[in-house]
Amino acid sequence: NAGVTQTPKFQVLKTGQSMTLQCAQDMNHNSMYWYRQDPGMGLRLIYYSASEGTTDKGEVPNGYNVSRLNKREFSLRLESAAPSQTSVYFCASRARGLGELFFGEGSRLTVL
Amino acid sequence: DQQVKQNSPSLSVQEGRISILNCDYTNSMFDYFLWYKKYPAEGPTFLISISSIKDKNEDGRFTVFLNKSAKHLSLHIVPSQPGDSAVYFCAASAGGSYNTDKLIFGTGTRLQVFP
Repeated sequence: NAGVTQTPKFQVLKTGQSMTLQCAQDMNHNSMYWYRQDPGMGLRLIYYSASEGTTDKGEVPNGYNVSRLNKREFSLRLESAAPSQTSVYFCASRARGLGELFFGEGSRLTVL
Repeated sequence: DQQVKQNSPSLSVQEGRISILNCDYTNSMFDYFLWYKKYPAEGPTFLISISSIKDKNEDGRFTVFLNKSAKHLSLHIVPSQPGDSAVYFCAASAGGSYNTDKLIFGTGTRLQVFP
């Protein structure tokens, strides 16, 4: 039972490059999320998808796009990476009617 | 503007003693609170939650207390064990336990339990 799987786990980009972080969950959850964690800042919500076919902005959406490809998969795209996007990114999912989120192991992104 | 605050970045406790982690919030609309635990190089894992209709929730060694008038919650770990050494995040939601789409997290407290 894999839970929430994120790829890649590590990535180094140059400023201006683009990349996509992939996330998949096998728990049949309806809602999926992308958070970033920075030192001294806790976890901040970037985008979320309450159900298949919908996406909404979170607290820090600028510079990111998302796609809810199907019920299992939710990707995060950086079109033109900036050093300020250096962070650890976490994908999470949640079952309808329950409060707790289940997180993946994280993807560490460095933008030079 | 930090809506959920964990003012102690770190806490060191001896094995067997009680660990108390604190969390304060400013938004009176928050009605559901969660604690997450995070080990290095892993994702956060859910620990315990509490709804605003309660003032205490217990699960084994972990108890969460909520003081709504003070906008304060705390996590008690008794007895503390070395395996409890991790970063603990407090999180809050204004959507009840059924809708936590916009969880707000605190900055975390690093707990170290020493022998």
